[in-house]
Amino acid sequence: DVKVTQSSRYLVKRTGEKVFLECVQDMDHENMFWYRQDPGLGLRLIYFSYDVKMKEKGDIPEGYSVSREKKERFSLILESASTNQTSMYLCASSLAYRARNTEAFFGQGTRLTVV
Amino acid sequence: EDQVTQSPEALRLQEGESSSLNCSYTVSGLRGLFWYRQDPGKGPEFLFTLYSAGEEKEKERLKATLTKKESFLHITAPKPEDSATYLCAVQGGSEKLVFGKGTKLTVNP
Repeated sequence: DVKVTQSSRYLVKRTGEKVFLECVQDMDHENMFWYRQDPGLGLRLIYFSYDVKMKEKGDIPEGYSVSREKKERFSLILESASTNQTSMYLCASSLAYRARNTEAFFGQGTRLTVV
Repeated sequence: EDQVTQSPEALRLQEGESSSLNCSYTVSGLRGLFWYRQDPGKGPEFLFTLYSAGEEKEKERLKATLTKKESFLHITAPKPEDSATYLCAVQGGSEKLVFGKGTKLTVNP
């Protein structure tokens, strides 16, 4: 079974803190994604990475950065946390576009609260 | 721009009452259409991939179908444990998946 593991289920951080969310996948997938999910807005793509050290902005990258130093690990960084970044954060991974089966597999999510 | 619209937003069924969820999409060059199930507080769980119009896939009480403009998730004789939010996503000409906002299904015993 594909496994995508996020480092925390719940986090509470203070406004202005630098926050790191970690994600690890064990299926040798090329692609990794970070989404946030908010009621009424659905899943919105923050950043994705299609290879080590490669990244592309998604639909809502402002206030976030990412790091992918190893193929299995993708980190989301909130440079200076704000209350409007309180959300459910979801990491996913998938095979590259050229593959036949490109479905994404998700981690269990991190519920982040910024106070 | 790729877009996905799911309807209805919420659906309440009695146990055993079959129904369908709709996913309408616009995408340039469909690579795949994906269905996911999401339980409260958890990440989406992959259900199906459909690649071309006319394709169908089944899993237990669920059956997904695909046309050139929409996909349906048919639920036959649902049980309370089928209660969840069902998400639809499409992949077009890039690595990204574009998601709809989901249909929240509640099945009452």
